[in-house]
Amino acid sequence: SAVISQKPSRDICQRGTSLTIQCQVDSQVTMMFWYRQQPGQSLTLIATANQGSEATYESGFVIDKFPISRPNLTFSTLTVSNMSPEDSSIYLCSINTGASNQPQHFGDGTRLSIL
Amino acid sequence: QKEVEQNSGPLSVPEGAIASLNCTYSDRGSQSFFWYRQYSGKSPELIMSIYSNGDKEDGRFTAQLNKASQYVSLLIRDSQPSDSATYLCAVNIYGSSNTGKLIFGQGTTLQVKP
Repeated sequence: SAVISQKPSRDICQRGTSLTIQCQVDSQVTMMFWYRQQPGQSLTLIATANQGSEATYESGFVIDKFPISRPNLTFSTLTVSNMSPEDSSIYLCSINTGASNQPQHFGDGTRLSIL
Repeated sequence: QKEVEQNSGPLSVPEGAIASLNCTYSDRGSQSFFWYRQYSGKSPELIMSIYSNGDKEDGRFTAQLNKASQYVSLLIRDSQPSDSATYLCAVNIYGSSNTGKLIFGQGTTLQVKP
């Protein structure tokens, strides 16, 4: 199965700053997804990232706050902008390696704390 | 709003018992259903996929799907302390773009006591 690498694995940031999270896959994939998991909560989809097109954001998430890049079929980035303590979460990227009805597989996540 | 509902637990079972985890979903058009296991501090790990009504077995795990009742469950036989984790039910939502995005339940915490 595909290997999904996320960087950084964790970070502590000051409020008002921005952080870019990278997701690298060792094979080409069509769909990449970004999730947020707030403390003690389940996963919430932020956006779906397709190569060569704008990301599709879910209700409650906007591009200005969470800009996403998808420059090729193996790489994506998520930026968390103008961070506040409420952005303290685990951010996860996932991939779908087959048809759209197939399961997703997750990277190890980025644990982000905002002071 | 398409929803996936799980009892958050904790569900506590003795070692060797059967653990039964349940999930309901609201979108009748859903076609794919997944169970993920998440250990504390780790990312979710896929343990079962199910697409058709009935049972699907894989080792100690059995997934059950009833589309008419919009219900999916996971049975863990001979539960072990290493099964203690949060189990997430995920449903594949087909939108017009057919991106295959997943909606997750809130997860059920399972505790297996030695």
